[in-house]
Amino acid sequence: GAGVSQSPRYKVTKRGQDVALRCDPISGHVSLYWYRQALGQGPEFLTYFNYEAQQDKSGLPNDRFSAERPEGSISTLTIQRTEQRDSAMYRCASSLGSNQPQHFGDGTRLSIL
Amino acid sequence: SQKIEQNSEALNIQEGKTATLTCNYTNYSPAYLQWYRQDPGRGPVFLLLIRENEKEKRKERLKVTFDTTLKQSLFHITASQPADSATYLCALGLGNAGNMLTFGGGTRLMVKP
Repeated sequence: GAGVSQSPRYKVTKRGQDVALRCDPISGHVSLYWYRQALGQGPEFLTYFNYEAQQDKSGLPNDRFSAERPEGSISTLTIQRTEQRDSAMYRCASSLGSNQPQHFGDGTRLSIL
Repeated sequence: SQKIEQNSEALNIQEGKTATLTCNYTNYSPAYLQWYRQDPGRGPVFLLLIRENEKEKRKERLKVTFDTTLKQSLFHITASQPADSATYLCALGLGNAGNMLTFGGGTRLMVKP
């Protein structure tokens, strides 16, 4: 596609459930990033990949959060045993490579009841 | 502590004037700095990237400066238009490869006709 695509756009789930958020980057983009954005704040880095290799996961809040990009294209961010504090906008971005402009998707709004 | 500061108050200016937005940071040594525009409900959109060895970058009506001594970047929009109204985010490129973007909280710009 022309841009970064994220699905679902909205996800509402009960506390304790697992959720999987999907990101389809721009074709040919080597690097893929996950961010979390609170209302009125800038995006907060979670993790990123070059091809299929996870390069940095220092921003993941705890071990309930994980991400994968098995074939170097589509990525999934998984949150296990969700808690209300996980409610946020989750954004994915991709870039041609290191130190390049990042192109963001419109995000997944996650609400934990 | 490490901080990125953008004016959290909205900047209101008249159409045709130059808008100047400020991004100050402390205790970081970024490899580069990027500016993004974000409209409500949308992901950030890349505008300009300036590297640590560059003083100034221009693109059409946009100009960004980067002073690594003052630890400050200024973002200018000349001949502003109501369509320029949005939130503008600065982001520092950090990490071993400069791949990790750390965002400021953004400044909302309102251009009045």
